[in-house]
Amino acid sequence: AQSVAQPEDQVNVAEGNPLTVKCTYSVSGNPYLFWYVQYPNRGLQFLLKYITGDNLVKGSYGFEAEFNKSQTSFHLKKPSALVSDSALYFCAVRDMRNTDKLIFGTGTRLQVFP
Amino acid sequence: DSGVTQTPKHLITATGQRVTLRCSPRSGDLSVYWYQQSLDQGLQFLIHYYNGEERAKGNILERFSAQQFPDLHSELNLSSLELGDSALYFCASNREGGTGELFFGEGSRLTVL
Repeated sequence: AQSVAQPEDQVNVAEGNPLTVKCTYSVSGNPYLFWYVQYPNRGLQFLLKYITGDNLVKGSYGFEAEFNKSQTSFHLKKPSALVSDSALYFCAVRDMRNTDKLIFGTGTRLQVFP
Repeated sequence: DSGVTQTPKHLITATGQRVTLRCSPRSGDLSVYWYQQSLDQGLQFLIHYYNGEERAKGNILERFSAQQFPDLHSELNLSSLELGDSALYFCASNREGGTGELFFGEGSRLTVL
């Protein structure tokens, strides 16, 4: 079955430091992978996706993600964290068996401290 | 703004009642997906409609039903409500043949008392 795992419930980082939010996947075939961000009382906002090609994907708000096939990972990164990046982050994989729905991880809460 | 509109934003009701949540997808999108977000279960896929037809069902209770109308808006009906149905309900849409990202509405927060 297609799935993603986010091993950390929460990640704490100081403003200005680099951040990483981890995601691993389990799929049959080539994965379509996504990152979303959710701010309090808001819907999910699309950040970036990996479909094929370059393993380093750049997205919105300075975020990027690195696809690693050998480690089945798709970690979200940012070189310099901002307090405003504090939010809930979800990794997702596209289920291509019989529908295009996304299967989401459990989410990681990012807290950036001033 | 994703272009997906959900109403109502907030809803408070009592156990045993029935509610209807409404979703208007982005212009041109034929697919509508419903998800439930609760504190203990994360984001759970409920159901997917494409151009008026049901495409896939997920963890949707029998007390819940959905439909997509000819104008492509969708409604999620929740009946015989229980305390555990309190959650955020999200609608998302996308285009057929795209690379798969979904565009989410702001959600409807349901509180069952």
